[in-house]
Amino acid sequence: GAVVSQHPSRVICKSGTSVKIECRSLDFQATTMFWYRQFPKKSLMLMATSNEGSKATYEQGVEKDKFLINHASLTLSTLTVTSAHPEDSSFYICSASSIRLAANKGVSYEQYFGPGTRLTVT
Amino acid sequence: AQSVTQLGSHVSVSEGALVLLRCNYSSSVPPYLFWYVQYPNQGLQLLLKYTSAATLVKGINGFEAEFKKSETSFHLTKPSAHMSDAAEYFCAVSRFGNEKLTFGTGTRLTIIP
Repeated sequence: GAVVSQHPSRVICKSGTSVKIECRSLDFQATTMFWYRQFPKKSLMLMATSNEGSKATYEQGVEKDKFLINHASLTLSTLTVTSAHPEDSSFYICSASSIRLAANKGVSYEQYFGPGTRLTVT
Repeated sequence: AQSVTQLGSHVSVSEGALVLLRCNYSSSVPPYLFWYVQYPNQGLQLLLKYTSAATLVKGINGFEAEFKKSETSFHLTKPSAHMSDAAEYFCAVSRFGNEKLTFGTGTRLTIIP
C-alpha cells in the first residue's frame, strides 16, 4: 500500500515559538491532504483540507492564522503551528488522498494516514 | 451532515472470544464507511472499508464488518480475539472515498488473557 510519512515524529518546543510539521506521500501523488488533531484519549478532529496549489479549507473553529497550511507540491503538505502555547500540545495526524483507476473496477479512492506527530509545548 | 456513533468507549473480551464493536452512522447520502485501528502513539491503519459494493466487507487481521442500511449500522466483528488486537478502534464516514472523514469517538478494545 501507499506510504505517508510525517516529520518530526515528536517535537518539544517552548511557548511562543513556531513549529513546522511535514506530511509526505512517498510513492504516490496526493491532490488532497487532510490535517487532523487528536487530544489524549479522544477522537480525531479534522482541522483543514489541503489541496495542492490552492488555499486550505479550515474547519469551523480552527484559526487559520495560527495553523498555517501549505501544499506546494503533490507530495508535500506542511502544517505550521505559530506562536505555540501549551494548549496546542496534541497529536497531529495527516492523511493523503489518491485516486486510482483500476481495470474493470472503475475509480477507487484511497486515503492513507501518516504515523502522527506528537507536539509538546512547554 | 454526517456522523458516526460508537457505542461503548471500552470493550473487554477474553482471548479467543468474539469481538463485536458497534458503529451506527447518519448520512444524507449513501456513505462510505471505514474502520481504522490505532496502536499507542501511532497513526491509523485501515482495517476495512465499505464503498457501496458488497455489504459484507472483509478486512485485514481477520476482521469483517456488515453494512446494514435498515439499521444504519456498520459493526465490526472478529470471530476469535488475539492479544495483538488490543488497540483503539475508530469508525469513520465520508461522502466519497477521498473526502474528509468524520470519526466516531473510538472504542478501546482490551483482550483478557
